[in-house]
Amino acid sequence: GAVVSQHPSWVICKSGTSVKIECRSLDFQATTMFWYRQFPKQSLMLMATSNEGSKATYEQGVEKDKFLINHASLTLSTLTVTSAHPEDSSFYICSATSLAGTSEQYFGPGTRLTVT
Amino acid sequence: GENVEQHPSTLSVQEGDSAVIKCTYSDSASNYFPWYKQELGKGPQLIIDIRSNVGEKKDQRIAVTLNKTAKHFSLHITETQPEDSAVYFCAARVTGGFKTIFGAGTRLFVKA
Repeated sequence: GAVVSQHPSWVICKSGTSVKIECRSLDFQATTMFWYRQFPKQSLMLMATSNEGSKATYEQGVEKDKFLINHASLTLSTLTVTSAHPEDSSFYICSATSLAGTSEQYFGPGTRLTVT
Repeated sequence: GENVEQHPSTLSVQEGDSAVIKCTYSDSASNYFPWYKQELGKGPQLIIDIRSNVGEKKDQRIAVTLNKTAKHFSLHITETQPEDSAVYFCAARVTGGFKTIFGAGTRLFVKA
């Protein structure tokens, strides 16, 4: 089946620093990648949708200057949390859909970010 | 926009019993309804899905039903096992796009 990886799986950073999370589709080309945020015991909240080679579409309330998304290729999207603060601590999950155009979304394993 | 409600939030069953999780959606244009299982510290994993042109789908111990008229869809797990313990999310796909709206999740506990 289609596999999506994320790196790192967990990261701890200090307030004010930036951290980059990578999302890769390992065995398929992803036309669209999604970034979600999940707080403990809560559902997934869509942050943004990105298509290869174009600017990401952010959901209402998500700061595009704080959460920078780059989708440089059909297999890689990155999320950079800039000037991180403790309230940015969360579980970040990416997902991808394939070029084949099926409806299935394949999720990555998630990245746990802790900002101290 | 689309809104997905999921019940119950927590479900505890004895091993071997059945578990049923119910969801409702608001946008009649939604036509794809996946179910995900999420284990602690991991990303969601698709376990079964159903499209709007189908009323029921089964895969071994897991089945999903869809009532388009009532905008209800349900997940049924039979002969539950301890490894079924996880959080389950229903979702609905908005037609014309890839935006998937998730329910709040159901935490399933299967007691041995």
